[in-house]
Amino acid sequence: DVKVTQSSRYLVKRTGEKVFLECVQDMDHENMFWYRQDPGLGLRLIYFSYDVKMKEKGDIPEGYSVSREKKERFSLILESASTNQTSMYLCASRQNTEAFFGQGTRLTVV
Amino acid sequence: KNEVEQSPQNLTAQEGEFITINCSYSVGISALHWLQQHPGGGIVSLFMLSSGKKKHGRLIATINIQEKHSSLHITASHPRDSAVYICAPHSNSGYALNFGKGTSLLVTP
Repeated sequence: DVKVTQSSRYLVKRTGEKVFLECVQDMDHENMFWYRQDPGLGLRLIYFSYDVKMKEKGDIPEGYSVSREKKERFSLILESASTNQTSMYLCASRQNTEAFFGQGTRLTVV
Repeated sequence: KNEVEQSPQNLTAQEGEFITINCSYSVGISALHWLQQHPGGGIVSLFMLSSGKKKHGRLIATINIQEKHSSLHITASHPRDSAVYICAPHSNSGYALNFGKGTSLLVTP
């Protein structure tokens, strides 16, 4: 009964490439989030969306953009990947007190 | 912003020991999640609490809303409990979840 699905578990990309990380949820949640997880820093919010076509910057939006064209899908875009964007990326969705998490995408930029 | 502090950062225990992980936060919340992440693995939600106490098997989570504090207890710990445990309070205002930096637990046989 998968609720939040991220398109890839592992991804390797070259510096300068445009990278798309996809997240899909099947619970009709309004709120969706992208976080990155780094050793010693924990999970930090990149962007979130509270409705279709709506987005808000989180704590570390630089170098990223997002797209929410449909309620169930929230995409994270790295316009020009850099090595400092090597990280674990986690998608989450939330409605009221219910929250679910994807498995994470481990992205390596070489 | 909700400042979230977890303690301890790292914890090593022998199999069978009783374990407590603590989480304190700075602003009022509507609920709090405890999450588990195994090495190289994804994140799984263990509990969602808005008051009192919840129990799932050997795991017990408690929350004191007035004191802005929650604890996760593991009874009769086992090596398969080795993971990072993360608390995530939901603030009363705002949309986003906030996360603690996690407690890395190692249970040795």
